[in-house]
Amino acid sequence: ETGVTQTPRHLVMGMTNKKSLKCEQHLGHNAMYWYKQSAKKPLELMFVYSLEERVENNSVPSRFSPECPNSSHLFLHLHTLQPEDSALYLCASSHGGQGYSGANVLTFGAGSRLTVL
Amino acid sequence: GQNIDQPTEMTATEGAIVQINCTYQTSGFNGLFWYQQHAGEAPTFLSYNVLDGLEEKGRFSSFLSRSKGYSYLLLKELQMKDSASYLCAVMDSNYQLIWGAGTKLIIKP
Repeated sequence: ETGVTQTPRHLVMGMTNKKSLKCEQHLGHNAMYWYKQSAKKPLELMFVYSLEERVENNSVPSRFSPECPNSSHLFLHLHTLQPEDSALYLCASSHGGQGYSGANVLTFGAGSRLTVL
Repeated sequence: GQNIDQPTEMTATEGAIVQINCTYQTSGFNGLFWYQQHAGEAPTFLSYNVLDGLEEKGRFSSFLSRSKGYSYLLLKELQMKDSASYLCAVMDSNYQLIWGAGTKLIIKP
């Protein structure tokens, strides 16, 4: 256990479904992140929240919608996804947000494996 | 553009030593991270280098040369549990993390 918990661990959905991924951290961190991890590709940063305010959106398609109701919880709402969105979605938290300092260590959850049929 | 290069896959023998290289071209530099990720698990932090030289932590060491845009992770006395992917990431001048695609390390008995 890293202190960052993601649910569900596995999700299969059709292109017309709506589902949500949930992330919870118990580390007292101030920033939370969503990353996409595809096989043999670098981690892709999707969203960053610092003190519950979204500070970065790396041109992610609108079919992905983040929500951060408080500093401990982060959601990723999914709708009308495409098969190419199948990937591992990782949540992470850190003491400071991006731009905080160099030694800003990320603590990751184990990820939600998403398959879009 | 910004780029991190590391080998896709490496194989080593239990008890041996392996060196995983990472080269980078980024807009500025504010530190280099190594993370370990076992299959189906969360990436976990291994090391952070911001100054040139070698940092040792038990069986793992990480080296940085900023002038060469180069780092390596050295794993000694390899154990089967070291089979994992190793991710290299550089923090650029805007404190954005640039990630490599990871190196899958396979340990054979």
